[in-house]
Amino acid sequence: GESVGLHLPTLSVQEGDNSIINCAYSNSASDYFIWYKQESGKGPQFIIDIRSNMDKRQGQRVTVLLNKTVKHLSLQIAATQPGDSAVYFCAWKTSYDKVIFGPGTSLSVIP
Amino acid sequence: KAGVTQTPRYLIKTRGQQVTLSCSPISGHRSVSWYQQTPGQGLQFLFEYFSETQRNKGNFPGRFSGRQFSNSRSEMNVSTLELGDSALYLCASRGPGRVDGYTFGSGTRLTVV
Repeated sequence: GESVGLHLPTLSVQEGDNSIINCAYSNSASDYFIWYKQESGKGPQFIIDIRSNMDKRQGQRVTVLLNKTVKHLSLQIAATQPGDSAVYFCAWKTSYDKVIFGPGTSLSVIP
Repeated sequence: KAGVTQTPRYLIKTRGQQVTLSCSPISGHRSVSWYQQTPGQGLQFLFEYFSETQRNKGNFPGRFSGRQFSNSRSEMNVSTLELGDSALYLCASRGPGRVDGYTFGSGTRLTVV
């Protein structure tokens, strides 16, 4: 199958702190990027997206930063809460309009 | 507005059998994609259907197939099941006119014994 990465990084943060989750994507031609959150027993849930003509986009408590030069995407979560504990995936659209997912990062919030 | 519905939620099959999974997209969504999720390989793209036509295909063997009906509902079939096919199979739909991410269902957990 078409996959990216075999290792799931983990990140532990204290409740109330800010979280930064990083992602390296592989397709330099991608023009659309998405962050998803997956809680246990559920499918991935859309959080925020960004087009390649932008380098920053803000949502409610979340900010996505895009650095096309180094093919890097990050998700910042402000004032992290216990409900933010989940696996976070970055994804990008390929030139064939497929959406490819990164390996995911497990975020654990310490109360 | 109902979300993406996948049935069944859980399934146990024996090696060599075949299985059919079902996905009902959000009403009005014509694009349906399927992903396989395993702990070791993450989320892997299987295929995408749009208006009953397969538009994209991932790198899976021919044992994995799918189809989409005129009402946009989709099925995927896996024949001659192998132990390694045990995974969470996720379906996602995408709305018309929006270049956005998908809305996922909760998945079907397939266990092959």
